[in-house]
Amino acid sequence: AQSVTQPDIHITVSEGASLELRCNYSYGATPYLFWYVQSPGQGLQLLLKYFSGDTLVQGIKGFEAEFKRSQSSFNLRKPSVHWSDAAEYFCAVGASNFGNEKLTFGTGTRLTIIP
Amino acid sequence: EADIYQTPRYLVIGTGKKITLECSQTMGHDKMYWYQQDPGMELHLIHYSYGVNSTEKGDLSSESTVSRIRTEHFPLTLESARPSHTSQYLCASSDRTTGDTQYFGPGTRLTVL
Repeated sequence: AQSVTQPDIHITVSEGASLELRCNYSYGATPYLFWYVQSPGQGLQLLLKYFSGDTLVQGIKGFEAEFKRSQSSFNLRKPSVHWSDAAEYFCAVGASNFGNEKLTFGTGTRLTIIP
Repeated sequence: EADIYQTPRYLVIGTGKKITLECSQTMGHDKMYWYQQDPGMELHLIHYSYGVNSTEKGDLSSESTVSRIRTEHFPLTLESARPSHTSQYLCASSDRTTGDTQYFGPGTRLTVL
């Protein structure tokens, strides 16, 4: 069975600082990987996804993520955060052999931005 | 991006009431999903559908039921609401045109008193 671990429950960074959110997955084959962002009281918005090919994936809002098979990781990065980036971030893994009909989500990382 | 709508956005209701949470999408996606999310917690899949007249239970057991009579509509029903059903319910849809990427609605926050 697939699983996702987001080891950081809460991260606080200063506006303008760089950001890295960690995600580790467990899956027997090549996974489909996603990062979603959720603002308070809202649904999830897709930031980026990895299916195959280039292991460095660019997303919306200046985010990027790197798939590292040897480390079973898919960490999310942003070089300079903005106050509007404060939100909950979820990493998810899907089964590549069935498409991603069933996603498994991590517990999320809450990002706080301080001025 | 997909257009997915959920109503109501917020619902406060008494124990024992029957409720239906609505989810509609306008993109013609064949796959739709319901997730349950407790505050500060991860999402758990409770129901999914691969098309009209197809429904399956997800990984998290739920007392709710779903139906898929039309492609664009995937309502979730609780016959008798209880306080343990208090949660946020998120609907999503996908199909091959989105690379099977799931797109989410804004959610319904349900409180059962």
